[in-house]
Amino acid sequence: DIQMTQSPSSLSASVGDRVTITCQASQDISNYLNWYQQKPGKAPNLLIYDASDLETGVPYRFSGRGSGTDFTLTISSLQPEDIATYFCQQYDSLPFTFGPGTKVDIK
Amino acid sequence: QVQLVQSGAEVKKPGASLKLSCMASGYPFTSYAVQWVRQAPGQRLEWMGWINGGTGDTKNSQMFQGRLTMTRDTSASTAYMELSSLRSEDTAIYYCARGRGVSSALFDSWGQGTLVTVSS
Repeated sequence: DIQMTQSPSSLSASVGDRVTITCQASQDISNYLNWYQQKPGKAPNLLIYDASDLETGVPYRFSGRGSGTDFTLTISSLQPEDIATYFCQQYDSLPFTFGPGTKVDIK
Repeated sequence: QVQLVQSGAEVKKPGASLKLSCMASGYPFTSYAVQWVRQAPGQRLEWMGWINGGTGDTKNSQMFQGRLTMTRDTSASTAYMELSSLRSEDTAIYYCARGRGVSSALFDSWGQGTLVTVSS
């Protein structure tokens, strides 16, 4: 199975800060990577697919980059409503696997 | 709009079976897959499997081989997930999600989740 890791596991930033989360795959997954946001007590929400494509309706402050084994999710200007856990998911091969998540809160 | 509504919370004893439902609306049910994912307390999301809404073909994780059955009722736009021989480690929130794109791997709309507790 492809193992997904994320860093940091949690972060605290101020409103307006640029925030970057890293996701690493244990082997080359090309661009077969999605990012999700999960707010407390809620189901996940798709943000980015194919490593860098913004899902319809997702604010433009979210962006994704990367290919191969290393990927990033960036929030260009952190907003209070972005408080959530973010996790990546690979779909290069079965079983689909998810990262452990990065918890983001406001400083 | 696309909506997936899951059945209510369940409490089961070890060894029992579980059947959850996921009712879809707002899109052509037979044109998309329904994915099943679970999240145990403090753990990462774990993919379980999918069912093709049109053909009924299924694919599941080897982790659940022999224990997981996925079915669907197209007339009711509803997918079902049955897990047998439950153990305490199956305690989790179970989600269904609509699968889109390559390998139906973009989980673009999710149900609200069903809490399943396995305890003697």
